[in-house]
Amino acid sequence: EAGVAQSPRYKIIEKRQSVAFWCNPISGHATLYWYQQILGQGPKLLIQFQNNGVVDDSQLPKDRFSAERLKGVDSTLKIQPAKLEDSAVYLCASSFVGGNTEAFFGQGTRLTVV
Amino acid sequence: SQELEQSPQSLIVQEGKNLTINCTSSKTLYGLYWYKQKYGEGLIFLMMLQKGGEEKSHEKITAKLDEKKQQSSLHITASQPSHAGIYLCFNAGGTSYGKLTFGQGTILTVHP
Repeated sequence: EAGVAQSPRYKIIEKRQSVAFWCNPISGHATLYWYQQILGQGPKLLIQFQNNGVVDDSQLPKDRFSAERLKGVDSTLKIQPAKLEDSAVYLCASSFVGGNTEAFFGQGTRLTVV
Repeated sequence: SQELEQSPQSLIVQEGKNLTINCTSSKTLYGLYWYKQKYGEGLIFLMMLQKGGEEKSHEKITAKLDEKKQQSSLHITASQPSHAGIYLCFNAGGTSYGKLTFGQGTILTVHP
């Protein structure tokens, strides 16, 4: 079974530039999550999708971050414009149904903003 | 939102030593996952605990869920350098669309 795929693995951009991350969840998984993990901290949930609808985006900085999952499968997370404090690993995870089922994580995208 | 507090935040042990990491919730735990992570990489699932008093083991790692104390512990026996990494507890949320919340992580270093 293929795992959660993320791309790119690494990205270096200058502040005020834009960047987009892509995630392809495990086939059949209705729930998709985006997490931000800053060095030394645990991952923070940015947004949770159930199919193509947003379940929770309370911690998403909506002035600069956006995410979509138009067909209920792949998802894209965008940052525009990026700030230095956005440097982090961005993790995508998926699960068959949210909550009490195992979530599978991608390898993450390491973003460095300079 | 549910807060998960892990302790200790970091741990340095000599190879062969036993160690325990704790995860305490501010609310009732309906289920809890333990994950391991190497920095910059994805998370590796270790085990999931759902029932009060449940205990699971995998190789030299044992995890327990104490619902009454709203706490879970992860115990590593005879630690090895390969056990080094960041250990994260992860709340299963308790509902079909539950919000999954991580603890802040415990950084484990094992010296050979």
